[in-house]
Amino acid sequence: QVQLVESGGGLVKPGGSLRLSCAASGFTFSDYFMTWIRQAPGKGLEWVSYISSSGTTTYYADSVKGRFTISRDNGKNSLYLQMNSLRAEDTAVYYCARSAPTSCGGDCSWLSYWGQGTLVTVSS
Amino acid sequence: DIVMTQSPDSLAVSLGERATISCKSSQSVLYSSNNNNYLAWYQQKPGQPPKLLIYWASTRESGVPDRFSGSGSGTDFTLTISSLQAEDVAVYYCQQYYSTPLTFGGGTKVEIK
Repeated sequence: QVQLVESGGGLVKPGGSLRLSCAASGFTFSDYFMTWIRQAPGKGLEWVSYISSSGTTTYYADSVKGRFTISRDNGKNSLYLQMNSLRAEDTAVYYCARSAPTSCGGDCSWLSYWGQGTLVTVSS
Repeated sequence: DIVMTQSPDSLAVSLGERATISCKSSQSVLYSSNNNNYLAWYQQKPGQPPKLLIYWASTRESGVPDRFSGSGSGTDFTLTISSLQAEDVAVYYCQQYYSTPLTFGGGTKVEIK
């Protein structure tokens, strides 16, 4: 079965950095676009970034553009989010989610599977 | 950016009764070339990640009970739970995938009356 397991969250000071990882299994990772979504405590869902199946195309929310970098290693079935210059407002649970299959491309960008999430807390 | 607005923020429904959630987009998410509405619905129970219920506005994800249905087109959409069960207590979100940034509605909390 499809499994997505995030790791790398924790407490970091404002201005600091963290790298989140998402280990995927149960499907052909290289066939799917992947997405990071976050949810601040007690709040709704916010799309952060997504990456094409090959890794050549990436998109970012304006709130993280220039600070966050999404990447993937298809050989390791892993998705990453490098987060720099972190701010208090980046505090959230970060979920990785499986998005569209390559065959469908950006047309099918619903999020069919989600990990359990990893909590990032930015505080001094 | 496409703004997604859900209503109500919360609703309480008796067991076995119908629950109806509205989602409106600030611009149409209907792609005329394929006549598909680029809209999905998710269910999030406390302490859990969201779960996909519906995509293309009305296509039920595999394994989702048929008491969940989606309808609407263009800018106005509805998620209906035809006969509310105790396990349906959750927050429900709509999401458009017509354009980036992908955007979500603010969520609707469904409780038992």
